Amino acid sequence: EAGVTQSPTHLIKTRGQQATLRCSPISGHTSVYWYQQALGLGLQFLLWYDEGEERNRGNFPPRFSGRQFPNYSSELNVNALELEDSALYLCASSLAPGTGAYEQYFGPGTRLTVT
Amino acid sequence: GNSVTQMEGPVTLSEEAFLTINCTYTATGYPSLFWYVQYPGEGLQLLLKATKADDKGSNKGFEATYRKETTSFHLEKGSVQVSDSAVYFCALSGVGGADGLTFGKGTHLIIQP
Repeated sequence: EAGVTQSPTHLIKTRGQQATLRCSPISGHTSVYWYQQALGLGLQFLLWYDEGEERNRGNFPPRFSGRQFPNYSSELNVNALELEDSALYLCASSLAPGTGAYEQYFGPGTRLTVT
Repeated sequence: GNSVTQMEGPVTLSEEAFLTINCTYTATGYPSLFWYVQYPGEGLQLLLKATKADDKGSNKGFEATYRKETTSFHLEKGSVQVSDSAVYFCALSGVGGADGLTFGKGTHLIIQP
């Protein structure tokens, strides 16, 4: 069974540009979570999507946004990039909430570098 | 809010030594608890989990017991190998999973031959 996949592996952008990151969940998983792993800040929860809707977001500004498609894949968009957005962005998928199974399975990540 | 505290390291051990990585948490209600491992250049892999008090999660020789009375979930392994060198993250999920996973800062484990 295929795991969570993310693309691209690496992304280099300049300050002020927009970045788009993509994620495909494990088959059968309807929830997708996004996390930022920045140096010195650890892993921080960004966004949660389930059944095509944004269900919750962490403490990040509105220029971090995304969406979930009917096939449950997801996109993370970061607008007006700042240098401190440089980080590893991890996507995770899980079964639907209410199933009692809250473990999340992670993809390999997208390394975003803002210059 | 929820929080997880773990020793940050680096923790350096010799091969075949006994490993303990401490993890304590603060949360309302009854969270689910996890240990994830991150090898260099890779994403996170779920190592083990426990969903209720006194549950013991185990995988690949690693174990952790959900202790409600001490709000702890310490990771242990009886005999570590060089291949266990990685960063280990303790994490919790609140009921319903709405806030995603709350992670500790991670413990960098180095095993020397």
